[in-house]
Amino acid sequence: NAGVTQTPKFRILKIGQSMTLQCTQDMNHNYMYWYRQDPGMGLKLIYYSVGAGITDKGEVPNGYNVSRSTTEDFPLRLELAAPSQTSVYFCASSQITGVAYNSPLHFGNGTRLTVT
Amino acid sequence: DAKTTQPTSMDCAEGRAANLPCNHSTISGNEYVYWYRQIHSQGPQYIIHGLKNNETNEMASLIITEDRKSSTLILPHATLRDTAVYYCIVRYTGTASKLTFGTGTRLQVTL
Repeated sequence: NAGVTQTPKFRILKIGQSMTLQCTQDMNHNYMYWYRQDPGMGLKLIYYSVGAGITDKGEVPNGYNVSRSTTEDFPLRLELAAPSQTSVYFCASSQITGVAYNSPLHFGNGTRLTVT
Repeated sequence: DAKTTQPTSMDCAEGRAANLPCNHSTISGNEYVYWYRQIHSQGPQYIIHGLKNNETNEMASLIITEDRKSSTLILPHATLRDTAVYYCIVRYTGTASKLTFGTGTRLQVTL
């Protein structure tokens, strides 16, 4: 029972570098989400997807890009890393049909990113 | 999004019930109350959710007041492994159906 898998677990980037955070889920969920969590704070939504080929911005999308070519995968791209993007990134998925708010989100264990 | 208010921190003795309160006075009629917890820096773990009625599962019970303006999460027999940050969330009913996290309650379970 893998659930939501994120790779890598840890990464250190230099300012201006780029990288892709990987997220895959094996539950055939249609909705997927990317959140970031800064120290001592709650999670903030970066991007979400309601199905393959459909993505939309959350609260804090600047500096990030996403794509959703398959149901299983939802990678998050950082093009020009900045120190402000130092954070823990969480991917989540949910199967939403009918009453959307009655379906829990399932989270991965995160990617801890440091930009120096 | 409806806002929630939770105490910053709480303590509970192991084996006792932990009662975590949450205020959500601006909740709309079709918005659910969700509870998650986060242990160390792991991903948030789903606990329970409800709309109007009280709910119980293998992890916890959720008591929602009749006017739905507040709720209480009950861990009936807290253990040291229940030490975590607990988030009370009112689920946004828009297209994204996202969860909006606050800063939660840090529950410390002690011997």
